[in-house]
Amino acid sequence: GDSVTQMEGPVTLSEEAFLTINCTYTATGYPSLFWYVQYPGEGLQLLLKATKADDKGSNKGFEATYRKETTSFHLEKGSVQVSDSAVYFCATGTYKYIFGTGTRLKVLA
Amino acid sequence: EAGVAQSPRYKIIEKRQSVAFWCNPISGHATLYWYQQILGQGPKLLIQFQNNGVVDDSQLPKDRFSAERLKGVDSTLKIQPAKLEDSAVYLCASTPDGYRAEKLFFGSGTQLSVL
Repeated sequence: GDSVTQMEGPVTLSEEAFLTINCTYTATGYPSLFWYVQYPGEGLQLLLKATKADDKGSNKGFEATYRKETTSFHLEKGSVQVSDSAVYFCATGTYKYIFGTGTRLKVLA
Repeated sequence: EAGVAQSPRYKIIEKRQSVAFWCNPISGHATLYWYQQILGQGPKLLIQFQNNGVVDDSQLPKDRFSAERLKGVDSTLKIQPAKLEDSAVYLCASTPDGYRAEKLFFGSGTQLSVL
């Protein structure tokens, strides 16, 4: 069945450091890929998405590229801020949406 | 535009009791999902409806969980009897249609504590 594997957290970085959160997937068909974010005390919200191979999703300085050959959708940001501290979920979707286990990011000032 | 509405926001029950959660999706959204999110884990799909039909309920513990979406609009999820391990946030989400949706619209969730 479809599945998503993310790197385990927590990830702790200093402000302005480079961020990578790895995500790989298995899915039948041609899924869309998503990153959702959950800030403390808030609900899940879409951060970015990509709908086909080689597409790059971007939002708020975060980027992720849909790599079909490596079945990956790694999340990156060049310079993290304290306000980016949250839990990040990778997800795959065709008719069924499967989420990874989440990666907690803590950014220190 | 109103978002996905869920109630109650919080619920505390004793084990072996029953509980029900309600969800009203965004108007016109055909697909409705119920997810279970245990603390520290990702959302796990329990059941997916397309209008009032079930698309996927393979991970729904059918001996204790049930869900319905009469008339293809709002939905209820019931647990009877509850177990300690059912303590989680129950999330409802909807999309205009199910296949390759642009994104899921999530409600704020119901936090269930089973004592």
